[in-house]
Amino acid sequence: QQQVKQSPQSLIVQKGGISIINCAYENTAFDYFPWYQQFPGKGPALLIAIRPDVSEKKEGRFTISFNKSAKQFSLHIMDSQPGDSATYFCAASTPGGGADGLTFGKGTHLIIQP
Amino acid sequence: DAGVIQSPRHEVTEMGQEVTLRCKPISGHDYLFWYRQTMMRGLELLIYFNNNVPIDDSGMPEDRFSAKMPNASFSTLKIQPSEPRDSAVYFCASSFMPGLAATPEQYFGPGTRLTVT
Repeated sequence: QQQVKQSPQSLIVQKGGISIINCAYENTAFDYFPWYQQFPGKGPALLIAIRPDVSEKKEGRFTISFNKSAKQFSLHIMDSQPGDSATYFCAASTPGGGADGLTFGKGTHLIIQP
Repeated sequence: DAGVIQSPRHEVTEMGQEVTLRCKPISGHDYLFWYRQTMMRGLELLIYFNNNVPIDDSGMPEDRFSAKMPNASFSTLKIQPSEPRDSAVYFCASSFMPGLAATPEQYFGPGTRLTVT
C-alpha cells in the first residue's frame, strides 16, 4: 500500500524556471511532511518540512504548499538552477515526531537544463 | 561531526552468502533507522530502534533479514542467506527526539550499495 503518491517521476525544467513536484497522502494521521533531496551516490538530506497547521512554508527558493482538505502538498523551486538537479522525495510521518520512521514517495528525478 | 557512517560503501557477494552492513549513528542521537532503496520500490523503512531497542521491524522483508543495535554507537543489518533480489542501496539514518515538539529530522548515511549475484 502506497501511502504517499508522488508525481511526476521525472521533470525537466529550464534554468530560471519554476519546478513543481506534487504529493498526495492517504493517512489523515500524518502530521509532519518533509521533503528530502538526494544527489547521486549520497543519502537523502532534509530540504524543508511543514506541519499541517500552516498552508505554506518558504525557505529561500524552496516553498512547500500544503492543502489539508485535499490531502496534498507540493514543493516549488523558484529560479531553478543546475545545482538543483537531484532526486526529490516527499515524505510523511505520524504523531510522535516522526520517530516511527518516514513513509516516502517514490521520488522525482529533476533535471535543470542550463 | 562526521555524520552517520556506514560500511562498507559497496558490497558484492554471491547468492547464499551472509552479508553484514554496519552503521554508526551521530553521537547523541537516540533513534536509528534502516532503509532500503530500489528503483522499483523506492525508499522503504525496514526497522528502527529507540535507545538501542528495536521498536518496529514490520518492514523487514523476511526472516533472512535481522538487525541489532548492541550499543548507542553501532548497529548492524544482516542478510543470511542473501539472494539477488536483495540487491539495493541500504541506508542508515539517525535522529534525536528530545520531545514530541522537536523537529524529527533524520540524518542519512551515504548508504551501502549491495549487489548479490
